[in-house]
Amino acid sequence: VQLLESGGDLIQPGGSLRLSCAASGFTFTRHAMTWVRQAPGKGLEWVSVVSGNGYTTYYADSVKGRFTIARDNSNSMLYLQMNGLRVEDTGIYYCAKYLADNPSSRYFQDWGQGTLVTVSS
Amino acid sequence: DIQLTQSPSFLSASVGDRVTISCRASQAISNSVAWYQQKPGKAPSLLIYATSTLQSGVPSRFSGTKSGTEFTLSISSLQPEDFATYYCQQISAYPITFGQGTRLE
Repeated sequence: VQLLESGGDLIQPGGSLRLSCAASGFTFTRHAMTWVRQAPGKGLEWVSVVSGNGYTTYYADSVKGRFTIARDNSNSMLYLQMNGLRVEDTGIYYCAKYLADNPSSRYFQDWGQGTLVTVSS
Repeated sequence: DIQLTQSPSFLSASVGDRVTISCRASQAISNSVAWYQQKPGKAPSLLIYATSTLQSGVPSRFSGTKSGTEFTLSISSLQPEDFATYYCQQISAYPITFGQGTRLE
């Protein structure tokens, strides 16, 4: 299994950014995929999840209405579109793969190495 | 939202020690708890899920238990590579939440 994030950058408050996660080594459609972030020196915060077929999504309240998760199953890609970025969105963003695509398997079995998003003026 | 309160926040121990980390949920969440290990500069890795199931490749010195709404991660005999930060996680309901972490040093 390999998960490779990209797209992190230094961006001004109010700006937009799209993160990508390239997945390989497993049957992509069989696993829900998620984004987790970690502010500098802080703990883990779950951000969003998308089901294996892409039809069901959930968001943390802190990003609802600003971030959009999506996936391209034909190319095994996961995305996070981030709009209206705030200073408090700064951190490392990890993509992760669920153990399986059912409610009892929402454990984050595999993680990417992360991509750094810095929101600052 | 389901809150997870982890304790202690910091834990000082030595190689060979047995240590335990506690994670208390704000409401009943069945067995829907996992534990992750994170080393500096690295992504977290899954240690235990469903309260007590060891992820493939995780040494048997790690174990997880539950009593009511309190979940415990135990390490039976600390090895040098175990010094890291540990997080509990609940998957019972969205939003998925994590404990604040325990730094083992």
